[in-house]
Amino acid sequence: GIQVEQSPPDLILQEGANSTLRCNFSDSVNNLQWFHQNPWGQLINLFYIPSGTKQNGRLSATTVATERYSLLYISSSQTTDSGVYFCAVSRYTGGFKTIFGAGTRLFVKA
Amino acid sequence: EAGVTQFPSHSVIEKGQTVTLRCDPISGHDNLYWYRRVMGKEIKFLLHFVKESKQDESGMPNNRFLAERTGGTYSTLKVQPAELEDSGVYFCASSQVRGSGGYTFGSGTRLTVV
Repeated sequence: GIQVEQSPPDLILQEGANSTLRCNFSDSVNNLQWFHQNPWGQLINLFYIPSGTKQNGRLSATTVATERYSLLYISSSQTTDSGVYFCAVSRYTGGFKTIFGAGTRLFVKA
Repeated sequence: EAGVTQFPSHSVIEKGQTVTLRCDPISGHDNLYWYRRVMGKEIKFLLHFVKESKQDESGMPNNRFLAERTGGTYSTLKVQPAELEDSGVYFCASSQVRGSGGYTFGSGTRLTVV
């Protein structure tokens, strides 16, 4: 099956700093999404981005499908950005099964 | 449109008891999925419904877990009897045909088995 690797596994930032999270995947995919799991466990959709670049406020994401990676940029980080960021991919093979990476655990210090 | 709704948001039960989680997908989404994250590990697929039919249930951990989607609308996931290792967050997601456009996940149900 498809393998999804995220890096770094853990990240500590000072409030206001910028960061880049990476997601590598082992095969072609139809879907790629970034999620944020907040400290209360809720999973928040950030981006649906199988290719190209999108921006939403301080967050932006880029997926280079031909090279099988995606990047999530967080600028001017805030303490509320803390949590786990997941990359998830899926490919249609008679059905869709989303494969999640192990996540990047982010802690933003005030 | 309303998103994917899950309830309860949090459930605390004793080992050996039964718990039923519910998911209401986005209206018109035939595809419904259950996932879970236990013990801070990766989020793992449990199963996939297409309307009321189980398309793929390869991720169901054992026969203590039973998922249903009667009528092809909302779905329930029953854990009976619950064990300590079942503690975690259970997510539901829905999508349109073949998942194009991505999946919409619910906020999850945090299950704590004590």
